[in-house]
Amino acid sequence: DGGITQSPKYLFRKEGQNVTLSCEQNLNHDAMYWYRQDPGQGLRLIYYSQIVNDFQKGDIAEGYSVSREKKESFPLTVTSAQKNPTAFYLCASHARTALKAEAFFGQGTRLTVV
Amino acid sequence: DQQVKQNSPSLSVQEGRISILNCDYTNSMFDYFLWYKKYPAEGPTFLISISSIKDKNEDGRFTVFLNKSAKHLSLHIVPSQPGDSAVYFCAASYSGNTPLVFGKGTRLSVIA
Repeated sequence: DGGITQSPKYLFRKEGQNVTLSCEQNLNHDAMYWYRQDPGQGLRLIYYSQIVNDFQKGDIAEGYSVSREKKESFPLTVTSAQKNPTAFYLCASHARTALKAEAFFGQGTRLTVV
Repeated sequence: DQQVKQNSPSLSVQEGRISILNCDYTNSMFDYFLWYKKYPAEGPTFLISISSIKDKNEDGRFTVFLNKSAKHLSLHIVPSQPGDSAVYFCAASYSGNTPLVFGKGTRLSVIA
């Protein structure tokens, strides 16, 4: 069954800790993205990767880091520098052809700072 | 500056009637548009999409209309069902694997 798997579903972080959110896809998509959702804010782009070993900052990259060592995996680290990390995080993968675009999301990770 | 706008934060519709969700965009480089449905605490699920070379795409109860000259698209749901109650996001894509650009969403409530 093809899809995107995010883990964990719920994550609690203490102040000053780094945490890493996992995202794995078996859709063979080149591009992967991380979005953050806050109430009333829609989906805001944190980081994206269009190809293995390459990634770009999105609109709200400060306090986050990523890696893309494998096509299937795009983990997101929320560092202690992120001042307001409590949010719902969504990972997506994306593929475009000349005639079609498809993008699928994982089920999300709810991160709470305690 | 928002490139994709969903100007109605919420919409209420009676069960069995038509729901029309609207989306406007500013960037004429967008050539593919997608609609997603999202329940609380879940990832968005893909609903329907349309290429800029078309003006309509239909899939069951869902139809998307694209008016390129007005830079406007709309999602029609007929007939609306209580299970359609969710937040709907409009997204736009450039060619290549550049990130999708999302609107802020419209919360649809279908009242039985």
